[in-house]
Amino acid sequence: SSELTQDPAVSVALGQTVRITCQGDSLRSSYAGWYQQKPGQAPILLIYGQDNRPSGIPDRFSASRSRNTASLTITGAQAEDEADYYCNSRDSSSNLWVFGGGTKLTVL
Amino acid sequence: QVQLQQWGAGLLKPSETLSLTCAVYGESFSGYYWSWIRQPPGKGLEWIGEINHSGNTNYHPSVKSRVTISVDASKNQFSLKLSSVTAADTAIYFCARGVRGVHAYYYYYMDVWGKGTTVTVSS
Repeated sequence: SSELTQDPAVSVALGQTVRITCQGDSLRSSYAGWYQQKPGQAPILLIYGQDNRPSGIPDRFSASRSRNTASLTITGAQAEDEADYYCNSRDSSSNLWVFGGGTKLTVL
Repeated sequence: QVQLQQWGAGLLKPSETLSLTCAVYGESFSGYYWSWIRQPPGKGLEWIGEINHSGNTNYHPSVKSRVTISVDASKNQFSLKLSSVTAADTAIYFCARGVRGVHAYYYYYMDVWGKGTTVTVSS
């Protein structure tokens, strides 16, 4: 299957740590890209590769992978982290991009 | 710094053809995957298709029969055409640059995005 599965919604208390997961067969042999999208804005790249952050992305965002599951961890969540988070990858068999359904993060 | 600027018609009638263009500034066209992604109201991101600098394309199966992505490398632009649109094609459409990296495995990500174009299909 080329699908990526994410939990629809997750909540975290301000300053606490939260993990957002992304599951799919394409992740057995690849890393996910992670994106943050706030209302009315285009997605921005948070993490790529094993655990790389583009310039300007805070280091409270990190990523990991195990078997067919990729995880985005926010350590010390801030109010401004409330947003939708998407993972994506490329399916090696079909050679097509695939996105997860997105996770809405609420910071309490 | 790479920037993507996109434009196109925002209001269409059913059965018309959606046409959007994305211009790439500040970077060569070569070596990347140039994608179109859409987001229906209140929903998630859906990859539509891509093209590379040589004109090789890949399309999502759900739109493959109606979509054409083309490139004008001389202008550093790529375009999306989606025919026979219906209300289900109403969405924000984004262009984005796809990158392939390698670290034990190949991995892929989209590092630069256009701001999005809202397309509404209504009679």
